[in-house]
Amino acid sequence: DVVMTQSPLSLPVTLGQPASISCTSSQSLQHSNGITYLSWFLQRPGQSPRRLLYKVSNRDSGVPDRFSGSGSGTDFTLQISRVEAEDVGIYYCMQGTHWPQLTFGGGTKVEI
Amino acid sequence: QVQLVESGGGLVKPGGSLRLSCAASGFTFSDDFMTWIRQAPGKGLEWLSYISGDSSIIYYADSVKGRFTISRDNTKKSLYLQMNNLRAEDAAIYYCTNVADSSIEYWGQGTLVTVSS
Repeated sequence: DVVMTQSPLSLPVTLGQPASISCTSSQSLQHSNGITYLSWFLQRPGQSPRRLLYKVSNRDSGVPDRFSGSGSGTDFTLQISRVEAEDVGIYYCMQGTHWPQLTFGGGTKVEI
Repeated sequence: QVQLVESGGGLVKPGGSLRLSCAASGFTFSDDFMTWIRQAPGKGLEWLSYISGDSSIIYYADSVKGRFTISRDNTKKSLYLQMNNLRAEDAAIYYCTNVADSSIEYWGQGTLVTVSS
C-alpha cells in the first residue's frame, strides 16, 4: 500500500509571507503512462475539502496563482507565495496513481 | 453548477445499519467513477470505496470490506452506501465525491454518522 506523509503537521504562517508544505509518497507516483496523479486539497474550518491542484501543478479554476505545486517521483511540494487570511485550514495531498487505492496524506494545519 | 448532496446520516447503535445517499447534478453522472470518503472527528480523510460509471468496477478499503456496499442508480443520478454492522470507529462525516482523471474534483457537504449505544 502507498503511504503519503506530509510535513510539517502544523505550520504557523505570517500574512504576506511564503509558505511551503511537503508531501512524500512511499512509492513513485509516476504512472506507467508518464502522468503523476498527485493532488492537493484545502479544507477550511467547517467546510468540505476543495481541490487546489491536480497532476502535481495544474491549478483548478478559481484557485489563485499564489498557489503552486511541484515535484516528481516521491517528493512533492505545495507553495503559497504570499499567505492570505483565507488560506487558513488543513491541506491534504492525495495520490491517484496506484489504483484501487486513493491515499491521502495526514494533513498540514496552516494557521496565522 | 455541480452539486453533490449527501443524506441518510444519523445516530445508530453498534451493530446497526444505515444507508447513505448522494444526489448528483451539474455533470454527466454516468460518466464518472464515484467514491465515498469519510473523516472521523478531528481526523484526516479516508477513502472507503469507489464504483465505475457502469457499476462494473467496485473496490473497497480493507476497513469496510464485507460490511459496506456501494451502488449507484444512473437514472436517478444517485450514489449509495449501505453500511452494516456499524462500529464505534465508523463514526465520521461521510463525503460523496466524483473521480475524474484519477483525482477528486467535486465534494459533497457530507453527512454525519454517529455510532453509539
